[in-house]
Amino acid sequence: EAGVTQFPSHSVIEKGQTVTLRCDPISGHDNLYWYRRVMGKEIKFLLHFVKESKQDESGMPNNRFLAERTGGTYSTLKVQPAELEDSGVYFCASSRIRGANTGELFFGEGSRLTVL
Amino acid sequence: DQQVKQNSPSLSVQEGRISILNCDYTNSMFDYFLWYKKYPAEGPTFLISISSIKDKNEDGRFTVFLNKSAKHLSLHIVPSQPGDSAVYFCAATRGGADGLTFGKGTHLIIQP
Repeated sequence: EAGVTQFPSHSVIEKGQTVTLRCDPISGHDNLYWYRRVMGKEIKFLLHFVKESKQDESGMPNNRFLAERTGGTYSTLKVQPAELEDSGVYFCASSRIRGANTGELFFGEGSRLTVL
Repeated sequence: DQQVKQNSPSLSVQEGRISILNCDYTNSMFDYFLWYKKYPAEGPTFLISISSIKDKNEDGRFTVFLNKSAKHLSLHIVPSQPGDSAVYFCAATRGGADGLTFGKGTHLIIQP
């Protein structure tokens, strides 16, 4: 069974440009999450989808970030326009069961974003 | 304001000895705590968890202790093995929440 896959693994862009990160969850996982780790800091929750619906987007930093999950399969996270402070590693995770206390959260390898 | 704190950025332990990783939290609403392990260029993987109704949970070489009055938990690994070298993240959540609140991580280095 394939794990959570993320693309690209690393993206280097200039300030003001746009980047779109993609996440393919484990097949059959309705719950999809995005997290971000800025250099040297904690991993922070961004948002949660159940199928195609956003359930909690309380962690999204600002309106330069747009997450979508059309069709309830893969998800994209677009940053437009990118700023220097957006640099970090963006993790996607998926789970079959809803709830952060299940321990059944599977993370992808992350997409490293470097904004110059 | 950090709600989950891991005050040791790194820890070095000799192979075969006990590794103790510490974590403190400030939010008294947290009722479930998890430890994740992360290797370079990989995503975090779930290791062990504990509910706030317990004070200890054990799984093989890994034991998590919870002290609610002190808002402190610790992960014990015994005996430590070279493959345990990784970054360990402490995470917490509360009932009904979808997101985890993570600490900054502790880099554990197991010395041969």
